[in-house]
Amino acid sequence: GIQVEQSPPDLILQEGANSTLRCNFSDSVNNLQWFHQNPWGQLINLFYIPSGTKQNGRLSATTVATERYSLLYISSSQTTDSGVYFCAVNPGAGKSTFGDGTTLTVKP
Amino acid sequence: DSGVTQTPKHLITATGQRVTLRCSPRSGDLSVYWYQQSLDQGLQFLIQYYNGEERAKGNILERFSAQQFPDLHSELNLSSLELGDSALYFCASSSGLVGNTIYFGEGSWLTVV
Repeated sequence: GIQVEQSPPDLILQEGANSTLRCNFSDSVNNLQWFHQNPWGQLINLFYIPSGTKQNGRLSATTVATERYSLLYISSSQTTDSGVYFCAVNPGAGKSTFGDGTTLTVKP
Repeated sequence: DSGVTQTPKHLITATGQRVTLRCSPRSGDLSVYWYQQSLDQGLQFLIQYYNGEERAKGNILERFSAQQFPDLHSELNLSSLELGDSALYFCASSSGLVGNTIYFGEGSWLTVV
């Protein structure tokens, strides 16, 4: 099956710093999403981005489907950005495969 | 609020028992997915239903079963529970089969003692 690798596995930032999270995948995909899992366990949908670039406030994402990677940018990070960021890909119908996530800690 | 509703939010049960987790998808969504998140295995896809029919199966144990009803709500049944089944179980929904945003519920925390 498709492989999804996220990097870095852990990231510690000071409030206000910027960061880039990466997701590499091993095969063509129809669907790529970024999620944020907050400390309470909720999985919050950030972007649906099988290709191209999207922005939502301080967050933006870019997927280069031909090169099989996606990037999530977080600017001016806040303590509420802490949690685990997951990339999930779907090569076709059915299941999405999740990466192992990047654990982000933003310190005040 | 994603619009996906899961009950119960927390459940503690003994080994060998059976539990049912319930999910109501977002209004209009036909696809329902079940995922298991445990500390040692991350987020694992279990099964997908689309408009009442099973469409994809992942790493779902034979002790587990699911169904989607005509009103599109879904249930995940877990039987002969073992300590290792303790996990956060997510339901998610999307409007179609492929190429759609998937929205997750808040999850059901299952603890098997």
